[in-house]
Amino acid sequence: GQQVMQIPQYQHVQEGEDFTTYCNSSTTLSNIQWYKQRPGGHPVFLIQLVKSGEVKKQKRLTFQFGEAKKNSSLHITATQTTDVGTYFCADGTSYGKLTFGQGTILIVHP
Amino acid sequence: SQTIHQWPATLVQPVGSPLSLECTVEGTSNPNLYWYRQAAGRGLQLLFYSVGIGQISSEVPQNLSASRPQDRQFILSSKKLLLSDSGFYLCAWTGDGYGYTFGSGTRLTVV
Repeated sequence: GQQVMQIPQYQHVQEGEDFTTYCNSSTTLSNIQWYKQRPGGHPVFLIQLVKSGEVKKQKRLTFQFGEAKKNSSLHITATQTTDVGTYFCADGTSYGKLTFGQGTILIVHP
Repeated sequence: SQTIHQWPATLVQPVGSPLSLECTVEGTSNPNLYWYRQAAGRGLQLLFYSVGIGQISSEVPQNLSASRPQDRQFILSSKKLLLSDSGFYLCAWTGDGYGYTFGSGTRLTVV
């Protein structure tokens, strides 16, 4: 089935630094969703991208969908300790079934 | 508003024992329901999904089964647990495919 590769696996940053995680697919995605999972918690839906080249912002978070709809990124500006957790991208090409990437674990050092 | 309930939060079961995890959704009708498993705090693996009562699709052949006896109830079961069944089990629902809402999960340890 469809697979999405997510990099990096881990990212350590100092508080205030920026952070980016990337999601790549070998095939065209119809849409991509992003989730955040706090340590010990469950994944929480952040956003869905559908259009080629789409860019959406949520405060310090910027989400992009590639022009070819084969990649996506999540960028956090000026990280805070509350940003710690695992960020997942998920391929929503198969209607009603999400295929998740392996996630990027973000560690923010105060 | 819609809510999803999943229990128990943690469970320690011996090898060979049965399993029953329950998930219920409130405030919506005819949701798509899902069971995912997360091992070692990393990726989520889709186990089962259901688009309606009695309709179950299995994604991965394994020691588990699922049932949907009511519109808003989804149950994950096993007759005999294996050590490899340990993990974090998450139930989720979506109404229109736009964003999943996950339950708080069950941490299962098989000993």
